[in-house]
Amino acid sequence: TQLLEQSPQFLSIQEGENLTVYCNSSSVFSSLQWYRQEPGEGPVLLVTVVTGGEVKKLKRLTFQFGDARKDSSLHITAAQPGDTGLYLCAGTYNFNKFYFGSGTKLNVKP
Amino acid sequence: NAGVMQNPRHLVRRRGQEARLRCSPMKGHSHVYWYRQLPEEGLKFMVYLQKENIIDESGMPKERFSAEFPKEGPSILRIQQVVRGDSAAYFCASSRGQGGSNQPQHFGDGTRLSIL
Repeated sequence: TQLLEQSPQFLSIQEGENLTVYCNSSSVFSSLQWYRQEPGEGPVLLVTVVTGGEVKKLKRLTFQFGDARKDSSLHITAAQPGDTGLYLCAGTYNFNKFYFGSGTKLNVKP
Repeated sequence: NAGVMQNPRHLVRRRGQEARLRCSPMKGHSHVYWYRQLPEEGLKFMVYLQKENIIDESGMPKERFSAEFPKEGPSILRIQQVVRGDSAAYFCASSRGQGGSNQPQHFGDGTRLSIL
C-alpha cells in the first residue's frame, strides 16, 4: 500500500508548457519534501514544506502544501528540457522515517 | 566533493553471495538513512541509524539484511545470501541532525546491485 500517491505517473510535454503534478495521501504529515532525480543519480532535494497552506517558489517551480497537510502540488511554469526527470514527494511524521511516492516521470521535449 | 559518497557504484553478485554496500555521510553528519529503489518506483525506507545506534529498522527485512554505522568509518548495509529479488538501487542519505525542515537529507548516487 502506497502512503503517498503521485499523479500523473508519466507526463510528456513540449518546451514552454505549464504543468502540475500532485502528491496525495490520506495521512497528515509533519512535513513534506519534493525531490528531483535523474537517471543514475540520487534524489536532489528541491523544497521542504511544513505549514498547512504553505506556498514556496523556486524560480519557475511553485510548491504548495495542502491546508490539512495531507497533499501537495508542484507547478512548473514554462517547462524546459532541463526540467526532465523523476519528481518524487516524500512525507514524514516524526523525521525518523520518510515515505516516498512512486514519482512522476516528466519529459520535456524541445 | 563533500557530498554523500557511496561505493561501489555498481555491484554484481551471484545468488548466495554476500553484498556489502558502503556509505560515507557528508562531513559533520551523524544521521544515516538507507533506501531501496526498484526501477520506475520511488524509494522505500529501510533503516535509520545514528552513530553506533539503529534508531528505526522497520523497513528492513528481518532476515539476511543488516546495517551498522560504527563510531569510525562508513555505514555498511550488508545483504547475506543474496537472491535475484535483491537486485535494486540502494541509496544512502545523511543529515546533520534528525531529518526535517532545517536538517534536510542529502542523498548519495546509490549502489546498483545486480544478482546473477
